[in-house]
Amino acid sequence: AQSVAQPEDQVNVAEGNPLTVKCTYSVSGNPYLFWYVQYPNRGLQFLLKYITGDNLVKGSYGFEAEFNKSQTSFHLKKPSALVSDSALYFCAVTYDYKLSFGAGTTVTVRA
Amino acid sequence: DSGVTQTPKHLITATGQRVTLRCSPRSGDLSVYWYQQSLDQGLQFLIQYYNGEERAKGNILERFSAQQFPDLHSELNLSSLELGDSALYFCASSVGGGVYEQYFGPGTRLTVT
Repeated sequence: AQSVAQPEDQVNVAEGNPLTVKCTYSVSGNPYLFWYVQYPNRGLQFLLKYITGDNLVKGSYGFEAEFNKSQTSFHLKKPSALVSDSALYFCAVTYDYKLSFGAGTTVTVRA
Repeated sequence: DSGVTQTPKHLITATGQRVTLRCSPRSGDLSVYWYQQSLDQGLQFLIQYYNGEERAKGNILERFSAQQFPDLHSELNLSSLELGDSALYFCASSVGGGVYEQYFGPGTRLTVT
């Protein structure tokens, strides 16, 4: 089955420092990978996706993600984190019209 | 604001009851998805409709059913409710399936007492 894993339940960084949220995938064939963010008491918001092409994908709010086929990873990155980036982040993979989410990573950015 | 609307925002009901959750997709989107989010199960895909037809099924219980109407709004029906059905239920929509990003509504919080 197609799946993604987020190895870290929590990531804590200081404001202004780089932020990385890890995701690894297990799919047969070409993966379609997504990142979503969920703020407290809100629905999920789309950040970015990888379908094909450049391995570095740029998304909303200054986020980017690097697709690495050899390491089967799709890590989310932001060069300089903001306190407002504190939220729950989900990696997801789509197959057969279904979207399968990772368990989520809680990001806390301290001032 | 994603453009996806869900009603009601909150729902409190008793075990054994039946409820209906409603979703209106973004204008122009043909696909509607339903998800359940709970602390123990995480975010689980339930079912997808595309232009009125069921397209994909996930971990949806037999007590649950859904449909998409000609005007593209969708309803999720939950019956014989159990305490474990208490969760946040999200609807999402997209232009199509597969490679298209989904836009999520604010969710309906269901509490079964």
